[in-house]
Amino acid sequence: GNSVTQMEGPVTLSEEAFLTINCTYTATGYPSLFWYVQYPGEGLQLLLKATKADDKGSNKGFEATYRKETTSFHLEKGSVQVSDSAVYFCALSENTGFQKLVFGTGTRLLVSP
Amino acid sequence: KAGVTQTPRYLIKTRGQQVTLSCSPISGHRSVSWYQQTPGQGLQFLFEYFSETQRNKGNFPGRFSGRQFSNSRSEMNVSTLELGDSALYLCASSLGPGGARDYGYTFGSGTRLTVV
Repeated sequence: GNSVTQMEGPVTLSEEAFLTINCTYTATGYPSLFWYVQYPGEGLQLLLKATKADDKGSNKGFEATYRKETTSFHLEKGSVQVSDSAVYFCALSENTGFQKLVFGTGTRLLVSP
Repeated sequence: KAGVTQTPRYLIKTRGQQVTLSCSPISGHRSVSWYQQTPGQGLQFLFEYFSETQRNKGNFPGRFSGRQFSNSRSEMNVSTLELGDSALYLCASSLGPGGARDYGYTFGSGTRLTVV
């Protein structure tokens, strides 16, 4: 079945550091890929998505590129802020039929001033 | 516009009881999906409703059920609660059915259920 693997957290960074959170997937066919973010006490918010190979999703300084050859969708940001502290979830959905989301386990990011 | 509203935010129940959680989707959204979030299992799909019909169901026992009303509001019910049902239950609404890619999901803040 489809699955998503994320790096274990927490990831601890100082403000303005470079961020990478690794995500790889296993899927039949060609899924769409997503990054969601969950702030404390809140639900999930869509951060960015990519629906086909080599697409780059970007939002709020975050970027991720759909790499079919390495089945990866790593999240990056050039300069993190304290306000980026949250849990980040990588997810996929199939492109046909019922497009439910399959999530990774989440990676907690802690940014200190 | 108003987001996805889940009520109540917090709930404490005793083993063996039953519980009903409510979700009001964004106005105009007709699809509602439910996910369970636990530290051990992460986020897992429960079921999806569109136009008052359950279209898809995840791998959960029959104690977990749901329904959708004509105004697209949805409820989920868990009967004979077990300690392992303690979780954050998230509702997500979408314009169309099964549409993570095509329509996108908007999540509510969740209902945190604690079973004691």
